[in-house]
Amino acid sequence: GQNIDQPTEMTATEGAIVQINCTYQTSGFNGLFWYQQHAGEAPTFLSYNVLDGLEEKGRFSSFLSRSKGYSYLLLKELQMKDSASYLCAVWGYQKVTFGIGTKLQVIP
Amino acid sequence: GAVVSQHPSWVICKSGTSVKIECRSLDFQATTMFWYRQFPKQSLMLMATSNEGSKATYEQGVEKDKFLINHASLTLSTLTVTSAHPEDSSFYICSARRVKGWGTNEKLFFGSGTQLSVL
Repeated sequence: GQNIDQPTEMTATEGAIVQINCTYQTSGFNGLFWYQQHAGEAPTFLSYNVLDGLEEKGRFSSFLSRSKGYSYLLLKELQMKDSASYLCAVWGYQKVTFGIGTKLQVIP
Repeated sequence: GAVVSQHPSWVICKSGTSVKIECRSLDFQATTMFWYRQFPKQSLMLMATSNEGSKATYEQGVEKDKFLINHASLTLSTLTVTSAHPEDSSFYICSARRVKGWGTNEKLFFGSGTQLSVL
């Protein structure tokens, strides 16, 4: 089976940096996704990590350590529009399983 | 980029009726599609994995006779909620995997979701 853990809520200040952690246990591992989801909308793709290390894409970066079963999403220069839920998802054996999601609130 | 079209975007139905939701990959072939359900303030829960030309694989606790999945072509999968009840009211989302396999440039493509309300 697969088990994915991430904090349920976080609060950060506009302009700051926030790191959202995700730990997982999975049978088989093919990659890890991060998605952003605003309330009432479908998830939108942020990143996909297959190999260990940090991948940077604009204000968003994602890190993966397969040996530790650990990933984080780093959001820089936070904007109010970044307030959303951030979902960690693991591609394990034949399926993708989502974590509960971290609801990020950006405050002025 | 790749697009997945999901219809309808919202539906209201009476208890006991059936509702069909379509998920189409518009510019790529999808041998595998996934169906998720999301209740308010919760994450996406995988319901079933739909493979083209074969029976869907359902997750534990999901009734296969109630949630009928058909994946008859490489671009279309359908989810039919049979004899819907108020507790089936939820946000249903499909996603599709591109047929070329996984790599650093691959990702799941999501439909826009269907909000189902059963009265």
